[in-house]
Amino acid sequence: GQQLNQSPQSMFIQEGEDVSMNCTSSSIFNTWLWYKQDPGEGPVLLIALYKAGELTSNGRLTAQFGITRKDSFLNISASIPSDVGIYFCAGPNYGGSQGNLIFGKGTKLSVKP
Amino acid sequence: EAQVTQNPRYLITVTGKKLTVTCSQNMNHEYMSWYRQDPGLGLRQIYYSMNVEVTDKGDVPEGYKVSRKEKRNFPLILESPSPNQTSLYFCATLNRESGGYTFGSGTRLTVV
Repeated sequence: GQQLNQSPQSMFIQEGEDVSMNCTSSSIFNTWLWYKQDPGEGPVLLIALYKAGELTSNGRLTAQFGITRKDSFLNISASIPSDVGIYFCAGPNYGGSQGNLIFGKGTKLSVKP
Repeated sequence: EAQVTQNPRYLITVTGKKLTVTCSQNMNHEYMSWYRQDPGLGLRQIYYSMNVEVTDKGDVPEGYKVSRKEKRNFPLILESPSPNQTSLYFCATLNRESGGYTFGSGTRLTVV
């Protein structure tokens, strides 16, 4: 079935550094979603991508929908301590019901002040 | 404010004692879903509902029940909880405009 592979699994960075993470799939997606989960909270939608090649920004965050439609990237510039959390990619589960999403296993980000 | 409200946030219970985790949304979304989150396994869908009185199994439905008698509420029921149901549970609604979910704050359940 469909799977989303996220890398890296975890990152330890210094405040002020830029961060890159990615998500790949063996199958094509028409939508890519990026979520952030703060410790003790539910995931929150950061960016949604709907078209191959699309590049979308949300503050210091930038995400890209890969040309092949099998991958997506999330970049965070000039990281700050509140960027700490787990970042998930997600896409529609075409093998499941309409509306069902599948999630990557997440990239855990730690930021050292 | 648009939100998904889950209760309780934390629950410790004993094996076999029936429990219900409530979920309520104020966005008039048709699609609602329950996920569990476990270390190393990510988010896995338990049950979903496409509308009132329409529910279906997700990827890990065993040991759970749901109901959808009205649009705003989607409770998760554990008739006879077992320790392997110790997990972090999230209720979510689907925003069809964005294609993304709005999640509740989670319920951390421990079954001893």
